Amino acid sequence: AQSVTQLGSHVSVSEGALVLLRCNYSSSVPPYLFWYVQYPNQGLQLLLKYTTGATLVKGINGFEAEFKKSETSFHLTKPSAHMSDAAEYFCAVSKQGAQKLVFGQGTRLTINP
Amino acid sequence: DAGVTQSPTHLIKTRGQQVTLRCSPKSGHDTVSWYQQALGQGPQFIFQYYEEEERQRGNFPDRFSGHQFPNYSSELNVNALLLGDSALYLCASSSRKAPGLNTGELFFGEGSRLTVL
Repeated sequence: AQSVTQLGSHVSVSEGALVLLRCNYSSSVPPYLFWYVQYPNQGLQLLLKYTTGATLVKGINGFEAEFKKSETSFHLTKPSAHMSDAAEYFCAVSKQGAQKLVFGQGTRLTINP
Repeated sequence: DAGVTQSPTHLIKTRGQQVTLRCSPKSGHDTVSWYQQALGQGPQFIFQYYEEEERQRGNFPDRFSGHQFPNYSSELNVNALLLGDSALYLCASSSRKAPGLNTGELFFGEGSRLTVL
């Protein structure tokens, strides 16, 4: 079975500071990994994904994540936080071709002015 | 290009009633999945439909059922509603058939928020 653990249900950073959201996964097969963002009262929007190939993946809005197999991690980073980044962030894992996602519990990101 | 659309956006039901939620997938997509997102939680997989058949199912009771139509749209039905069924129900679409589109990525609608009183 696959699972995702997001460390920290709530992260608060100052505007302009580094954003780091942590995600560890468990999978018995090579995983596909995703980060989604959810703004209040909205659905989920894909930020970035790792399937195969380059382990450092870049997404929308200046976010990037690095797949580290040895650490079973897929942490999300952004060098400089913006007020518009305030939202709920979900890490998810799936098996190749399954099109079924297993989500973490989410991390609420707050940006302080 | 219309994305995933869901209806209704909000609804209130009482315990024991039945509810039907509807979803139209993104243009070109043939697979529809449903997720339940309780308040403060991550989405949980309910089931997935492809070619009008349920292909995968999560750990949800038989009170949860679905259907996919020939135009790929889908319905989620929940019978004998419980207070614990209150949640945001998300529909996600993807493609199995189209070359280059089967990337594992799901496109989500904005959800139907169900409140059971």
